[in-house]
Amino acid sequence: GQQVMQIPQYQHVQEGEDFTTYCNSSTTLSNIQWYKQRPGGHPVFLIQLVKSGEVKKQKRLTFQFGEAKKNSSLHITATQTTDVGTYFCATNTGGFKTIFGAGTRLFVKA
Amino acid sequence: SQTIHQWPATLVQPVGSPLSLECTVEGTSNPNLYWYRQAAGRGLQLLFYSVGIGQISSEVPQNLSASRPQDRQFILSSKKLLLSDSGFYLCAWSVPGNTIYFGEGSWLTVV
Repeated sequence: GQQVMQIPQYQHVQEGEDFTTYCNSSTTLSNIQWYKQRPGGHPVFLIQLVKSGEVKKQKRLTFQFGEAKKNSSLHITATQTTDVGTYFCATNTGGFKTIFGAGTRLFVKA
Repeated sequence: SQTIHQWPATLVQPVGSPLSLECTVEGTSNPNLYWYRQAAGRGLQLLFYSVGIGQISSEVPQNLSASRPQDRQFILSSKKLLLSDSGFYLCAWSVPGNTIYFGEGSWLTVV
């Protein structure tokens, strides 16, 4: 079945440094979604990208969908301690299922 | 607005005991419903999804089962829990083809 591979598994940064997580697929994706899960919490939807080459921004977060719709990235500029958590990419397959990448766990040192 | 409720929030069960986790969604009709499991520090594994009453699709062979007795009710069950069933169980809903909205989750520890 369709899979999305996410790297890195973990990332430790100093507060103020940038952070990027990547999501890759061997097949063309109909869409890509990004979620954030705070420690001890449940995943919360951040954004969805559907168009080839699409770029969206939410304050310090920049989301990109590749031209071939096989990869995506989430970039955080100048991380803050509130950015701590696990970031998941996900894709909806056939309208019924949403499958998730393994997640990237972000640690921010103040 | 739509809301999703999941309970219990925390559960400690002995090996071999039964399990029942319940989830209800309010404010929407005919949603897709899902059960995911997350092992400690790991990703989200899709266990079951349902596109309608009585319609259950299983993603992973296991000793768990799911049922959807009503449009907005989704239940995860087991007759006999294993140690490996421990984890964080998340119920979720979506409009077909759209984003996933998760419940607060249920922490299950099998001892």
